[in-house]
Amino acid sequence: EIVMTQSPVTLSVSPGERATLSCRASQSVSSNLAWYQQKPGQAPRLLIYGASTRATGIPARFSGSGSGTDFTLTISSLQSEDFAVYFCQQYEYWWTFGQGTKVEIK
Amino acid sequence: QVQLVQSGAEVKKPGASVKVSCKASGYTITKFGFNWVRQAPGQGLEWVGWIKTYNGDTNYAEKFQGRVTMTTDTSTSTAYMELRGLRSDDTAVYYCAREYGGYFEFWGQGTLVTVSS
Repeated sequence: EIVMTQSPVTLSVSPGERATLSCRASQSVSSNLAWYQQKPGQAPRLLIYGASTRATGIPARFSGSGSGTDFTLTISSLQSEDFAVYFCQQYEYWWTFGQGTKVEIK
Repeated sequence: QVQLVQSGAEVKKPGASVKVSCKASGYTITKFGFNWVRQAPGQGLEWVGWIKTYNGDTNYAEKFQGRVTMTTDTSTSTAYMELRGLRSDDTAVYYCAREYGGYFEFWGQGTLVTVSS
């Protein structure tokens, strides 16, 4: 099983600031990496797939980068609606998720 | 538009079985696979398994093998996940998700399964 490790567990950011979230895979997943956003009581929402391609309707302030084992999700200027939990997911070999990063208001 | 609508919340006793449904609309079900993902209270996302709707091929996460069965009914565009031998740590929200290209673009609203004596 490919283990996905996200850091930090919690990220405190002020509105308008930049947020950088990390995800590391225990072995190479090429670019088979997705990011999801989840708000309380809601299903996850696809943000990024293929490590860097924004899903339909996702604002340009969300960007993804990386390949192999190290990946980053950047939110360039946090809006109030962006405070949520973010999960990475590999789909190189079946599927596994990271444990999540909670982005909270500083 | 694509929609996945899941069945309602369930309360089960330890040792019982639960069958959750996920009705798809807005697309041809056989063109996409279904995945099931669960989330225990306050926890992260855990992949349960996958079914290839076109031919019924399945793959289950190792920890669920022997306890889970996934099926689809193409006549009603519905996917099902049955989990047997329920334990208290199976208490979670179970999600279905449509998969294409590996990632999960559309998700159901979730079904809370509570296991309690």
